[in-house]
Amino acid sequence: GQNIDQPTEMTATEGAIVQINCTYQTSGFNGLFWYQQHAGEAPTFLSYNVLDGLEEKGRFSSFLSRSKGYSYLLLKELQMKDSASYLCAVRGGSYIPTFGRGTSLIVHP
Amino acid sequence: EAQVTQNPRYLITVTGKKLTVTCSQNMNHEYMSWYRQDPGLGLRQIYYSMNVEVTDKGDVPEGYKVSRKEKRNFPLILESPSPNQTSLYFCASGRSSYNEQFFGPGTRLTVL
Repeated sequence: GQNIDQPTEMTATEGAIVQINCTYQTSGFNGLFWYQQHAGEAPTFLSYNVLDGLEEKGRFSSFLSRSKGYSYLLLKELQMKDSASYLCAVRGGSYIPTFGRGTSLIVHP
Repeated sequence: EAQVTQNPRYLITVTGKKLTVTCSQNMNHEYMSWYRQDPGLGLRQIYYSMNVEVTDKGDVPEGYKVSRKEKRNFPLILESPSPNQTSLYFCASGRSSYNEQFFGPGTRLTVL
């Protein structure tokens, strides 16, 4: 089976940096995805990591450590529109992605 | 425009009345899947399909059926809906299970 853990909720200030962690225990590992989901909307793809290290994409970066079963999503220069849920999804030995419960990020002025 | 569409977007029905939620994608994706999303439980996969005529159970398949007769369509069938199937449903597609998924807008289902 698979176990994916993320904090339930985080708050941060506009303009700041926030790191959302995801830890996982899976039978095999074949990649980790991050998605963003605004309230009442569909999830949208943010990033994909399959090798250790940092992937940067504009204000968003994602890091992976396969040996530690750990990933984080880093959001810089936070904006109010970044208030959303952030979903970590891990593709284990079955190659089918499993989603964590998501982290609700609240950005306040 | 590349997209995944679902219909209906909202549905209120009664226990036991068969219903189908349609899902269609225009991106020629091989991989399609259905999820339900409930507060505190996140996205849970119901069924997925790696290609035409190939479907398999996800984590919560009980009470649901799917079919994949054509590449673009992947309907979700509830033969006898029950109140515990009240949820927000998302269809998604991707080039393969290796790739990112594109999600439909969601179908909010209420079973009374």
